[in-house]
Amino acid sequence: NAGVTQTPKFRVLKTGQSMTLLCAQDMNHEYMYWYRQDPGMGLRLIHYSVGEGTTAKGEVPDGYNVSRLKKQNFLLGLESAAPSQTSVYFCASSYGVNSPLHFGNGTRLTVT
Amino acid sequence: KQEVTQIPAALSVPEGENLVLNCSFTDSAIYNLQWFRQDPGKGLTSLLLIQSSQREQTSGRLNASLDKSSGRSTLYIAASQPGDSATYLCAVRADSGGYQKVTFGTGTKLQVIP
Repeated sequence: NAGVTQTPKFRVLKTGQSMTLLCAQDMNHEYMYWYRQDPGMGLRLIHYSVGEGTTAKGEVPDGYNVSRLKKQNFLLGLESAAPSQTSVYFCASSYGVNSPLHFGNGTRLTVT
Repeated sequence: KQEVTQIPAALSVPEGENLVLNCSFTDSAIYNLQWFRQDPGKGLTSLLLIQSSQREQTSGRLNASLDKSSGRSTLYIAASQPGDSATYLCAVRADSGGYQKVTFGTGTKLQVIP
């Protein structure tokens, strides 16, 4: 039981490049989330999903897209990377709204 | 708008001491409150989840309490150990614009000195 797995762990992009972050969970959780964590700003929700085939915007969705084609996977895409997207990205999942959130170990992204 | 505050931002204690971490939130209409620890370069590890109808939860040396009416939660750590050194975050889940939003505090960085 691996929990929540994020790939890659680190990535450096140049401004304008695109990339996809992958999140996989093996706990049969319905809910999945993408957060970014920045110094002094805490964790902010980018997008989330309440089940396979569904996605919704969070607090800071601009510049990101997501897909949930399979229940266990939640992909976060950066269409055209900007330096403001330099951050640590965390994926989380939960069984339901009253269940604990489980986090992956994060992806550290630098955009130059 | 829900705001979650954790004071102090940093805390240093000698090993063996009992300690209390504080979390306050502005809107008491929450579903639940969750405490996490985060080690440097790592993700968040769930410690305790308290539902809105509960007053406290315990796990080993950890005890978390919830006073919804006053918008406060505390995390009590008994007999602290160097391995407890980490950043501790609290998070509340509440309705916001049609979904159950989780709002995080910015954490208390704990250092337990051997």
